[in-house]
Amino acid sequence: AQSVAQPEDQVNVAEGNPLTVKCTYSVSGNPYLFWYVQYPNRGLQFLLKYITGDNLVKGSYGFEAEFNKSQTSFHLKKPSALVSDSALYFCAVRDIGAAGNKLTFGGGTRVLVKP
Amino acid sequence: DGGITQSPKYLFRKEGQNVTLSCEQNLNHDAMYWYRQDPGQGLRLIYYSQIVNDFQKGDIAEGYSVSREKKESFPLTVTSAQKNPTAFYLCASSINGQGGEKLFFGSGTQLSVL
Repeated sequence: AQSVAQPEDQVNVAEGNPLTVKCTYSVSGNPYLFWYVQYPNRGLQFLLKYITGDNLVKGSYGFEAEFNKSQTSFHLKKPSALVSDSALYFCAVRDIGAAGNKLTFGGGTRVLVKP
Repeated sequence: DGGITQSPKYLFRKEGQNVTLSCEQNLNHDAMYWYRQDPGQGLRLIYYSQIVNDFQKGDIAEGYSVSREKKESFPLTVTSAQKNPTAFYLCASSINGQGGEKLFFGSGTQLSVL
C-alpha cells in the first residue's frame, strides 16, 4: 500500500523568508512524487513532480522540491515566499510498481504568508 | 482550470435522492478521475477510468456510481446509499493514465445535504 504524510496542518512564514512544506511517503517500490496547490474554492494546480533522475526538481512559481530516498521525503521549498503563495498544498505519491494509476494524496498543509 | 468543466458549482441533495455531478474535458485525455475532498483529509479517490467504457473503483467507491460512455465525459452519481455525501468533489483528467503524468483538475462541486 502507498501512503503519504504531511505532518504540519499549517505553516506560517513572513513574506521574503524561506518556505518549506514537509512531505514523507511510503511505497513498496519506487515512487512518482507530486506537489499540487489549491486556492480557495478551486481545483488543484500542478506544481512539480519527481519521476527519475536529479533529486532536485524545479517547478512553477519558483518552487522546488528535493527527493530524498533514504529519508523517504519530498519537501517543497521556496527561497523567498510571497503573500500570493498563501494556499493549500498537497503532496501525492504513486507506487510505480502498483497496478492502475492511483495517486494517493496527503492531508494538505495550509501556508499563510504574512506581509 | 485546464479544460475541465464541472457542474454545477453547488448542489443540494435531499434524503433518499440520487444526484449526478457532471465532468466534461476537452483535452483529449484518455484517463479521468473523481476525488472527494473533506477538510483535513486530503483527497480520496472514488473512481477512475483509463479508457472509454471502462472504469475501476478507487478507495471509497461505496455509495457512488460512474459511467464513461464518451471520452469527454465522466459523470458521477451520488446515490442514496452514500450516507455522508457532504463534501467537495473534484474531477481530474490525465493523458493516458500511465506513468507519472500530471493531473488536470476541474473547479469542483460542493455537495450539501438538505
